[in-house]
Amino acid sequence: DAKTTQPNSMESNEEEPVHLPCNHSTISGTDYIHWYRQLPSQGPEYVIHGLTSNVNNRMASLAIAEDRKSSTLILHRATLRDAAVYYCTGGSGTYKYIFGTGTRLKVLA
Amino acid sequence: DARVTQTPRHKVTEMGQEVTMRCQPILGHNTVFWYRQTMMQGLELLAYFRNRAPLDDSGMPKDRFSAEMPDATLATLKIQPSEPRDSAVYFCASGLNPGRRSYNSPLHFGNGTRLTVT
Repeated sequence: DAKTTQPNSMESNEEEPVHLPCNHSTISGTDYIHWYRQLPSQGPEYVIHGLTSNVNNRMASLAIAEDRKSSTLILHRATLRDAAVYYCTGGSGTYKYIFGTGTRLKVLA
Repeated sequence: DARVTQTPRHKVTEMGQEVTMRCQPILGHNTVFWYRQTMMQGLELLAYFRNRAPLDDSGMPKDRFSAEMPDATLATLKIQPSEPRDSAVYFCASGLNPGRRSYNSPLHFGNGTRLTVT
């Protein structure tokens, strides 16, 4: 199964951009890269996904490396409400979506 | 907004008792996933259904856990007998997969069932 690696925690100041990295070196060529976040006492929430090109939506941007072995979730202006655990996940050529330990983002006021 | 609904939200039971957790996926979604979350293990995939058929339950302890989809609007996860080590938050997620190998649509998670086995 594909494995993802993320830093355990990161900090950001409010209103500043945040770049959350993910390594997914074993992902197969046709698998999409998904990002989710989990707020306290809630289930994970979809953030964004992509295959090869960079993607933007109202929540964030996703930058995917040309070799697809890594990606970066970009929050353009962090707010206190963005404090959460962020997970990247990629399929492994099957339908399994395996979540790693995620990155706990702390946003400082 | 359509949501995945899980019941009960909280369950406290004694060791040895049967526990049934229920999930109502979003209408029209054809895939259902069950995950378990603990502090030590994080989010673990237990089972996966597509079009109500179980495609993968390799993450599930077979001797005591079972997962079913009696119909398209209900997925169940049952533990019998329950043990203290089963204490965790159990999440159900649903999505739409047209049948290609790679998953190109978001998973929608419920808010989980927090299970405590004493």
